[in-house]
Amino acid sequence: GAVVSQHPSRVICKSGTSVKIECRSLDFQATTMFWYRQFPKQSLMLMATSNEGSKATYEQGVEKDKFLINHASLTLSTLTVTSAHPEDSSFYICSATRLAGATYEQYFGPGTRLTVT
Amino acid sequence: QKEVEQNSGPLSVPEGAIASLNCTYSDRGSQSFFWYRQYSGKSPELIMSIYSNGDKEDGRFTAQLNKASQYVSLLIRDSQPSDSATYLCAVILGNEKLTFGTGTRLTIIP
Repeated sequence: GAVVSQHPSRVICKSGTSVKIECRSLDFQATTMFWYRQFPKQSLMLMATSNEGSKATYEQGVEKDKFLINHASLTLSTLTVTSAHPEDSSFYICSATRLAGATYEQYFGPGTRLTVT
Repeated sequence: QKEVEQNSGPLSVPEGAIASLNCTYSDRGSQSFFWYRQYSGKSPELIMSIYSNGDKEDGRFTAQLNKASQYVSLLIRDSQPSDSATYLCAVILGNEKLTFGTGTRLTIIP
């Protein structure tokens, strides 16, 4: 299978500060990367779609100025949570898609657990 | 109607038995279908993909797709306690974006 890494795996920050999360596809070039958020005992929620060299597409209700996404290369996307607040505490997961025949397969990173105090 | 529907469970299956997980989808244009396994506190892991009607087997896992009935299932043979997890059904309509079901929580009873 394909390998996707995320860094850091856990982060604790103070309210009002910013946190950057990196997502890398290690053994393939991703056509697209996605950012998800998951609260305890809830489903994955797609936040945004990220393509290399273009602006991210945000899902309805996700503030683009708060969740900054940069997709610098075919193997790296970053999510910056700006001016974090306790309600931003969540499990953030990225994924990367790889073309498999005539379709795409999406592989997830291990996730980043963010706690805002 | 939700785009992808799954029974949330919990589904309890004795160790060694066959676990059967079901999923229906609403959009007939759906092209690709996936099963992910998610352990508590971890990210989803892709375990099966299927694109054509019929069965696809990989080890103890068999995915079944019936496009006419808009139905996709996952069978796990010889269930093990380590199979206890939430199983997410997901479909792709036309672009690369996945639409997930809410997941079925599976518990294998030793």
